[in-house]
Amino acid sequence: GESVGLHLPTLSVQEGDNSIINCAYSNSASDYFIWYKQESGKGPQFIIDIRSNMDKRQGQRVTVLLNKTVKHLSLQIAATQPGDSAVYFCAENPNSGNTPLVFGKGTRLSVIA
Amino acid sequence: ETGVTQTPRHLVMGMTNKKSLKCEQHLGHNAMYWYKQSAKKPLELMFVYNFKEQTENNSVPSRFSPECPNSSHLFLHLHTLQPEDSALYLCASSPGLDYEKLFFGSGTQLSVL
Repeated sequence: GESVGLHLPTLSVQEGDNSIINCAYSNSASDYFIWYKQESGKGPQFIIDIRSNMDKRQGQRVTVLLNKTVKHLSLQIAATQPGDSAVYFCAENPNSGNTPLVFGKGTRLSVIA
Repeated sequence: ETGVTQTPRHLVMGMTNKKSLKCEQHLGHNAMYWYKQSAKKPLELMFVYNFKEQTENNSVPSRFSPECPNSSHLFLHLHTLQPEDSALYLCASSPGLDYEKLFFGSGTQLSVL
C-alpha cells in the first residue's frame, strides 16, 4: 500500500501568515524526500528536497523539516502569498534511487487575501 | 516553463479511437517517465525509459503502448481505452535513472467517452 500520506487534505491560510504542510511516511529505509507544488492546469513543480542525513533544509521562503524518529516530513512556507495556492505533494524514495518515488495524495493550500 | 513539453494539452477520444500523446524534453536528460494522475489518487508511475530503453512497466494494460525513439522524445500510444482511463497523463524527465528531482510537463488531460 501507499507509504506516504498527508495529515490534512486541505489547508486555508491568511495571506502573509506562515503555512505548514505535513507528511507522514512509513518506510524507515527511505533516504530521500521531495516536495512538489502543482498549480491548476500545470504539472508538478519541484520545490525542495532533503536527504535523510539532514533534518532541515531551507530554500527561498520554504523550509523542509525531516524528523526520522517519527517518520514525519513538513514543508513550511513563510509569508504565504496568493501565488502559493496549489496542491502540494510529498514523495519519498524508498531505495536509494533504485526505485520510483512514492507520492502522497496531496494537500490543497488556499491562501485567503 | 519546465523544459518538458507535452501535446496535446487536452484530448477527447472514443473507446474505439487510436491516439498518441507526445512529450519532448529540452533539458538534456537521459531518463523519461509517464505518470497517470487521477482525482484523489497519488501519482501512478506507468513507464520508465533510460537512454531510450524501457526499464519499468508498472503493470500497465496493453492498450497503453509507449515509444521512446531518442532520449528527448517520448510517446504514449492509446487504443481501445476505457472511460476509467480518463485522467491527466504527465510526462517527466530526470538527468539519470535515480528517480530523483523529476521535471514534469503540464500534462495531457484525457477524456475517454
